[in-house]
Amino acid sequence: GAVVSQHPSWVICKSGTSVKIECRSLDFQATTMFWYRQFPKQSLMLMATSNEGSKATYEQGVEKDKFLINHASLTLSTLTVTSAHPEDSSFYICSAIDRVSYGYTFGSGTRLTVV
Amino acid sequence: QQQVKQSPQSLIVQKGGIPIINCAYENTAFDYFPWYQQFPGKGPALLIAIRPDVSEKKEGRFTISFNKSAKQFSLHIMDSQPGDSATYFCAARIRGGKLIFGQGTELSVKP
Repeated sequence: GAVVSQHPSWVICKSGTSVKIECRSLDFQATTMFWYRQFPKQSLMLMATSNEGSKATYEQGVEKDKFLINHASLTLSTLTVTSAHPEDSSFYICSAIDRVSYGYTFGSGTRLTVV
Repeated sequence: QQQVKQSPQSLIVQKGGIPIINCAYENTAFDYFPWYQQFPGKGPALLIAIRPDVSEKKEGRFTISFNKSAKQFSLHIMDSQPGDSATYFCAARIRGGKLIFGQGTELSVKP
């Protein structure tokens, strides 16, 4: 089946530094990828929609300058958390739509801790 | 209108029981309704999904019941097992492909 690889699975960084999270579709091409944020015991909150070759569309309230999204190819999207602060600590999850089957596949998530 | 309301927030059943999780929506533009299972520290995994022109769908021990007129849908887990203990999310898709998630239900199946 379709697999989305997300790396790293966990990362600890210092306040003020930037962190990049990668999301790769391994066996299918994804024209659209989504980035979610999930706090403990809460639901997935959509942050942005990423389309290959174009600028990401951010949900209301999400700072585009803080959460930089790049979708340069049909198999790779990246999320960079810039100037991270402790309140950015969360579980970040990507999802990709298979351009052939239109099925959604989720990555395994990245636990970000900012200290 | 883009919300999906899910209940209950948590659920405890005995092994072999049939937990039922309910979701409701308002937006009639939703065209696809999946259910996801999530274990701690992992991403959601698709369990089963249904389209609004179908009233029921069954895959293995999982069944979705869909009531289009009431704008409600539910997940039933037959013969539940301790390994089914996880958080379950309903979702609905709107135009543009975005999935809107319910609040989640934490299911615990006791041996």
